[in-house]
Amino acid sequence: AQKVTQAQTEISVVEKEDVTLDCVYETRDTTYYLFWYKQPPSGELVFLIRRNSFDEQNEISGRYSWNFQKSTSSFNFTITASQVVDSAVYFCALRGNNAGNMLTFGGGTRLMVKP
Amino acid sequence: DAGVTQSPTHLIKTRGQQVTLRCSPISGHKSVSWYQQVLGQGPQFIFQYYEKEERGRGNFPDRFSARQFPNYSSELNVNALLLGDSALYLCASSFLTGPGAQHFGDGTRLSIL
Repeated sequence: AQKVTQAQTEISVVEKEDVTLDCVYETRDTTYYLFWYKQPPSGELVFLIRRNSFDEQNEISGRYSWNFQKSTSSFNFTITASQVVDSAVYFCALRGNNAGNMLTFGGGTRLMVKP
Repeated sequence: DAGVTQSPTHLIKTRGQQVTLRCSPISGHKSVSWYQQVLGQGPQFIFQYYEKEERGRGNFPDRFSARQFPNYSSELNVNALLLGDSALYLCASSFLTGPGAQHFGDGTRLSIL
């Protein structure tokens, strides 16, 4: 069985603050893939990043960075210098190597960035 | 290039009715997956189709069915609608069935009265 937990249901920050969204996962697969998606009010899920279980290198893309730690089964997402446009619900998701295309999503974290 | 397109965007039905939701994948994508997202929760996997064959099914009752057409578009059918079927239904496409990222459409918001 696979499980993704996003313990923070809602986070509120002021513009320009840094914010980290936590994601903890469970899987028995030795090979798996982790994803982050952003869901603005329009509803569309916007793909942000994919990581393979065998690649623990952290990644930075502009103001976004991701910290993958296999030892703690975590895949956290940090937004540096947050902006109002970052306000959305963010989902962490897991796909096991034997799960076809099935993504298991966490419950999501609603991020509100205030001006 | 167009992204994943879903129709209709909104739909209102009553209990016991049947509904068909449609999805057109990104051009060149052969895999389509369907997810149900109840308000305030993460999406839940319903089906995956690849090359017109069902490749995965989530924990949903037989009232839910789907199919994929030769042009890779897909339909999701739900029979005997219940109030609990009210949700955002999301379609995702990917080139293959594999580790690549899935790209989602805007969804169909289904309300059951």
